[in-house]
Amino acid sequence: DTAVSQTPKYLVTQMGNDKSIKCEQNLGHDTMYWYKQDSKKFLKIMFSYNNKELIINETVPNRFSPKSPDKAHLNLHINSLELGDSAVYFCASSNDGEAFFGQGTRLTVV
Amino acid sequence: AQSVTQLGSHVSVSEGALVLLRCNYSSSVPPYLFWYVQYPNQGLQLLLKYTSAATLVKGINGFEAEFKKSETSFHLTKPSAHMSDAAEYFCAVRTRDDKIIFGKGTRLHILP
Repeated sequence: DTAVSQTPKYLVTQMGNDKSIKCEQNLGHDTMYWYKQDSKKFLKIMFSYNNKELIINETVPNRFSPKSPDKAHLNLHINSLELGDSAVYFCASSNDGEAFFGQGTRLTVV
Repeated sequence: AQSVTQLGSHVSVSEGALVLLRCNYSSSVPPYLFWYVQYPNQGLQLLLKYTSAATLVKGINGFEAEFKKSETSFHLTKPSAHMSDAAEYFCAVRTRDDKIIFGKGTRLHILP
């Protein structure tokens, strides 16, 4: 069983489109995150949720909107996609310890 | 603000040689520190973590790291490099508000 799973793994879309990435964890963790990894491999935290409540929003454009329907899911919706949004997006979860990461979603905006 | 600095964006070692990847942290309180590894086109996998217990932490795949408060360092080592160790390595710190902040990563190259 995959602990943190993201879908889709790859996403190619045109500028201006709206897209969503889904994330689910079966570890029973209270905290979930979204990270963005750019082409230089730098990992930047975007959001953190604890038990469905937004805890951290790291100066991310408001075109990015996370949604947590329950504590096992944290989805990321992106409006009006721009070329600069191309990156790998990682979902993670933790419970007062290390973070467990999904396999990532490679988003390419053309 | 808590942060980590990884010295050297690329490190090359010969197969069988010692691996040393450097990480320094800034923290006013005892930190939670981690090393993660990322293989190409994959997610991040935890190698080891420091949580204020033993200062020498052993992880998976023969890696270990030593927490040195006086030097604010948490360097990652492995006595003998293997070709399969070629990957990107990230040092990370958990902040008081539960963020996990990553260093910029070090790409480890293994020379045959």
